[in-house]
Amino acid sequence: KNEVEQSPQNLTAQEGEFITINCSYSVGISALHWLQQHPGGGIVSLFMLSSGKKKHGRLIATINIQEKHSSLHITASHPRDSAVYICAAGGSNYKLTFGKGTLLTVNP
Amino acid sequence: DTGVSQDPRHKITKRGQNVTFRCDPISEHNRLYWYRQTLGQGPEFLTYFQNEAQLEKSRLLSDRFSAERPKGSFSTLEIQRTEQGDSAMYLCASSLDDTRNEKLFFGSGTQLSVL
Repeated sequence: KNEVEQSPQNLTAQEGEFITINCSYSVGISALHWLQQHPGGGIVSLFMLSSGKKKHGRLIATINIQEKHSSLHITASHPRDSAVYICAAGGSNYKLTFGKGTLLTVNP
Repeated sequence: DTGVSQDPRHKITKRGQNVTFRCDPISEHNRLYWYRQTLGQGPEFLTYFQNEAQLEKSRLLSDRFSAERPKGSFSTLEIQRTEQGDSAMYLCASSLDDTRNEKLFFGSGTQLSVL
């Protein structure tokens, strides 16, 4: 069993829908990262959080340390949001354990 | 563009050949990481540098793999006697040395195909 589990593995939405991607982890952490990876492209860091909630534009990330759970929300989704979203958890950057990713497809 | 560059973007090689990849991190970042990612999987940690010192190596990094970061700037990852199982995307990332765990900045990766 992977120490970082994401759900769903695949998600298809219509433009404008509210999207939630979940991440559960079993490792002890001091930080959790949400990353975005486009096909054939590199990885972009969206958020790094250790408690509470962070917001950037249409993206919101939350974490519940007690429940070892984090969510990434996208409001008013757009086709350009289509990508793989990866959750990574760990005690320090180099000890990050990555989830397998959630493939999001937003249709116009 | 995240500011981290990797070269080459793609590398096709025959089994048994040696390959070398280069990573140029963001100039003020003193932490540098190498990860490997296979299709459908998340990245896996390979090794980590703080300035020029290689502080951590994953058990995934066999004796055929070697990484350097001379002068604490760019880094190279060399794979000797490549095997088909080495085919993967090799990702480099950098960050500031910050006890608050500063964000990671990733390069676009080097896609290695071993024939």
